Amino acid sequence: GQNIDQPTEMTATEGAIVQINCTYQTSGFNGLFWYQQHAGEAPTFLSYNVLDGLEEKGRFSSFLSRSKGYSYLLLKELQMKDSASYLCAVRGTNAGKSTFGDGTTLTVKP
Amino acid sequence: DGGITQSPKYLFRKEGQNVTLSCEQNLNHDAMYWYRQDPGQGLRLIYYSQIVNDFQKGDIAEGYSVSREKKESFPLTVTSAQKNPTAFYLCASSTWTGDNYGYTFGSGTRLTVV
Repeated sequence: GQNIDQPTEMTATEGAIVQINCTYQTSGFNGLFWYQQHAGEAPTFLSYNVLDGLEEKGRFSSFLSRSKGYSYLLLKELQMKDSASYLCAVRGTNAGKSTFGDGTTLTVKP
Repeated sequence: DGGITQSPKYLFRKEGQNVTLSCEQNLNHDAMYWYRQDPGQGLRLIYYSQIVNDFQKGDIAEGYSVSREKKESFPLTVTSAQKNPTAFYLCASSTWTGDNYGYTFGSGTRLTVV
């Protein structure tokens, strides 16, 4: 099975940088995803890592270490609209299924 | 534009009643999934389907049923056997092998027992 842990809540200031960590234990690994979910809405794709290292996409970056079962999502130049829940999800090797963490609720303050 | 359509957006169920949530996609994706989300929690897998006329139970399938008669459609029925059905239900799709973009989600159905 899969077990995914991420912090429940984080708070940061507008314009700052925040790092959201995710640790996982898995019996099969075929990629790690980060999704953003605003309150009452569906999750939307942010990033994908399958090899070790850093993937950068604009203000968002995601890092993966498969040997450590660890990933983080880095958000730079925070904006108020970044206030949302961030979900870490690990895709297994069976049928493309993903297991989700409980999400980290990020609050960006002025 | 391609995407996934879920309906209805809000649904109210009486005790002992079965209700069906619709999910339709025009992305030509092979795989489709149903997840349930409770307040403050992540997504838990109910059922998934890789191909037409085949589907598998996820982690919390009890009290739910699905069908996959067409590639585009994957409806979820919440039966009276599901004792705590109030939740946010999300349908998702992806290519069969998965790709760099993960899931495409529908906008969700919020089910409430009255």
